Amino acid sequence: GQQVMQIPQYQHVQEGEDFTTYCNSSTTLSNIQWYKQRPGGHPVFLIQLVKSGEVKKQKRLTFQFGEAKKNSSLHITATQTTDVGTYFCAGPGSSNTGKLIFGQGTTLQVKP
Amino acid sequence: NAGVTQTPKFQVLKTGQSMTLQCAQDMNHNSMYWYRQDPGMGLRLIYYSASEGTTDKGEVPNGYNVSRLNKREFSLRLESAAPSQTSVYFCASTIQGARAEAFFGQGTRLTVV
Repeated sequence: GQQVMQIPQYQHVQEGEDFTTYCNSSTTLSNIQWYKQRPGGHPVFLIQLVKSGEVKKQKRLTFQFGEAKKNSSLHITATQTTDVGTYFCAGPGSSNTGKLIFGQGTTLQVKP
Repeated sequence: NAGVTQTPKFQVLKTGQSMTLQCAQDMNHNSMYWYRQDPGMGLRLIYYSASEGTTDKGEVPNGYNVSRLNKREFSLRLESAAPSQTSVYFCASTIQGARAEAFFGQGTRLTVV
């Protein structure tokens, strides 16, 4: 079945440093979504990518979808303490059933 | 506009007890999901409902049953709770399937002793 692998599992950075998390799928994805979960909270949608090679930006966050639509990345420039949390990628399950499958997540800690 | 509402927020069960986690959404969404979240495991799909009257197994369905009571409500039942089911459970909904933004409830923290 569909698997979405995400690395790294944890990342500790100094405030002001950059951060990147990577998501890889075993199959081609029609779309990929990114979510952020603050400590003690619930996942909140950030963005969806649909097109091959697509790049979208939200302030200091840059999202990319690979040319083959099997991988994606989230890059944060100059991290701030407000960026702390767990970032998840998510994609459709196999067989186009509508299932939404999440990666394991990357937990970001930012040292002030 | 409440979005996705889950009850209860916290629950402690004894091994072998049963309980139902309730989820309701007021966004007129067609698709609803139940996930469990464990440290280092991310969000794992338990069951999925594409629309009212349909349900489908996810990645980790064993030990759970679901009921899509109507378009608004999607409940998750543990018939005989086990310590391995200690987790945080999230309900989510989308307008339709996996190509739309998912909205999550606040979660239910379940401990089975």
